[in-house]
Parts: sequence; structure tokens; C-alpha cells
Amino acid sequence: LAKTTQPISMDSYEGQEVNITCSHNNIATNDYITWYQQFPSQGPRFIIQGYKTKVTNEVASLFIPADRKSSTLSLPRVSLSDTAVYYCLVGDMYGDSSYKLIFGSGTRLLVRP
Amino acid sequence: DAGVTQSPTHLIKTRGQQVTLRCSPISGHKSVSWYQQVLGQGPQFIFQYYEKEERGRGNFPDRFSARQFPNYSSELNVNALLLGDSALYLCASSYHRQGRGTEAFFGQGTRLTVV
Repeated sequence: LAKTTQPISMDSYEGQEVNITCSHNNIATNDYITWYQQFPSQGPRFIIQGYKTKVTNEVASLFIPADRKSSTLSLPRVSLSDTAVYYCLVGDMYGDSSYKLIFGSGTRLLVRP
Repeated sequence: DAGVTQSPTHLIKTRGQQVTLRCSPISGHKSVSWYQQVLGQGPQFIFQYYEKEERGRGNFPDRFSARQFPNYSSELNVNALLLGDSALYLCASSYHRQGRGTEAFFGQGTRLTVV
């Protein structure tokens, strides 16, 4: 399973765009990239998932370069409620180990007024 | 629609005791996974059950066990509790056993404190 590296913490202000970059240098061909968000004392919540190029949903965008060795989660116009820990996960979505999610330490995002 | 529900929400136990945590998955979901989250760290995979059979196990001692019932609900049991077992225990449900691009839905967790 590919290991991920993300910044430990980030600060931002309300209304700004936040980009969190995740490094996954040994990503495998069958690996997908998934981001989860977690608020204190709650379970993680799925944000977005992608394989290559760009994926966008109502919450965020995910940018994946051609070499797929990194990915960037983009949160447009953050609010105070976006203060949370964001996890980048890389794993095989179809193989024998695809049933388990491997979480790192995540990025703690603090949004200030 | 009800999401993943876990009970109890909080629990205090003494070292050496045994504990049972419960999880009800989203209706229609056949897969239940358990995760342990120690303060300041990401969740760590413990078990996955799919169609009432254990399909995956993480790197946890045999003191940890689980089962899934015919209605797809699940219990996690931990015997001979240690102080280090204090954590947030999370249950996640999904329709498929494997990812297949589908997301896992987590409950709010059970906060276990061992004293």
C-alpha cells in the first residue's frame, strides 16, 4: 500500500481557497486517491475520490498530475466549519486489500475568522 | 435515513475488564469495518466483516474479536483491557466488501476510556 505524506497543519481565513497537497511517490497502477474529513469526536466523512486529472463535486476539487505521485485537495472559499482534519488515502480499490482504509496522521486545517 | 449508529457513545472501564461495542450499519450495507483511533492519530483498521464472515484483520492482538449478525449489525469485543486500549472506536459500513469506488460511511464512534 502506498504511503502518503501531507502537511501536519495548515491555517487559513474564511473565504479563502485552501489547497492541501498529498505526496504518494510509490502509488500503484490500481490505486485510487481518496480524501476524508474528520471533525473532533466524529467519524471520518468521505469528501472526494479520483484516479487521474481532475475531479470536482459540490464540496471540493481533486487535482492529480499525470505522474500521480501527488494530489491536491482544493476547498473553495472555506468557512469556520471547514476546520477539521483532512486525510489523504491511497489504495487499491479492487484488489484483495481494498477492503481496508489506511489512514495517515492527516492535515489539521484551522480556519480563522 | 439513519446513518451508521454505534453504542454506547462513551464508556469507562477498568484495566482487565472486557468490553463490547455495537454497530448498526446503514440499511442495505453488508460490510462492517472497525477502526481504532488513538488521540492525535488517524484511524487504524481492526476488522472487516462481510456477509457475516471475517474478511480482513489488522495488526491487533487476539484480545480483539468481532462478529457480524444476520441483520448485518456487528459487535467488537475487547478482553483484558489495557490502558493503551483507550481510544475512539469507529465503525464503518459499505455496501460492497471491496472498494469498487464506493465510499465508507462512519459512525460517530464509541469513546472508550480505560482507567
